[in-house]
Amino acid sequence: NAGVTQTPKFRILKIGQSMTLQCAQDMNHNYMYWYRQDPGMGLKLIYYSVGAGITDKGEVPNGYNVSRSTTEDFPLRLELAAPSQTSVYFCASSYSVRGEQYFGPGTRLTVT
Amino acid sequence: GENVEQHPSTLSVQEGDSAVIKCTYSDSASNYFPWYKQELGKGPQLIIDIRSNVGEKKDQRIAVTLNKTAKHFSLHITETQPEDSAVYFCAAAEGGSGNTGKLIFGQGTTLQVKP
Repeated sequence: NAGVTQTPKFRILKIGQSMTLQCAQDMNHNYMYWYRQDPGMGLKLIYYSVGAGITDKGEVPNGYNVSRSTTEDFPLRLELAAPSQTSVYFCASSYSVRGEQYFGPGTRLTVT
Repeated sequence: GENVEQHPSTLSVQEGDSAVIKCTYSDSASNYFPWYKQELGKGPQLIIDIRSNVGEKKDQRIAVTLNKTAKHFSLHITETQPEDSAVYFCAAAEGGSGNTGKLIFGQGTTLQVKP
């Protein structure tokens, strides 16, 4: 199993551009999550999904959108990128609601 | 909503010493408390977790204790080794949120183990 994969690893965006961060897992997990991690801070939940077709907002959803058309994929869309979205983004998945969350390697995004 | 505070933000110990990291949470309904270790350039990885019906859990050199009355939980690492150097995060599962698995993370502790 590849586990949780994320692409790209690094990206530089100009203010106002848009992009999609890709996340995929091959463990047949229903639960998937997107976090952002700012320097010296913990992880903040952006969006989460409890299954295909079901998504909901986390702590910091503004400026982002998600979709979950399949169990495997959970892309995160940034529209009109802003410098405040400069961060490291992690995708995670879990088998059960109170189980281990498996994290991907992260995407480092810089908006200038 | 849930709020998790973690202390200290940095911790430096000599190899072989013990390290303790403490977290407090605000939501008395929270019932699941994992600890994650993050090495440089990688995603966090679960090292140990505890559920609210248990007061202590051990796994070799690491242990976690939970005090539900005081709403705090701690990570204990004994006989520290240089490879324990990393950032450690505590988290609490948000209570009352049904079947979502949402975790609220602490701010992280950078542990440095000096050889």
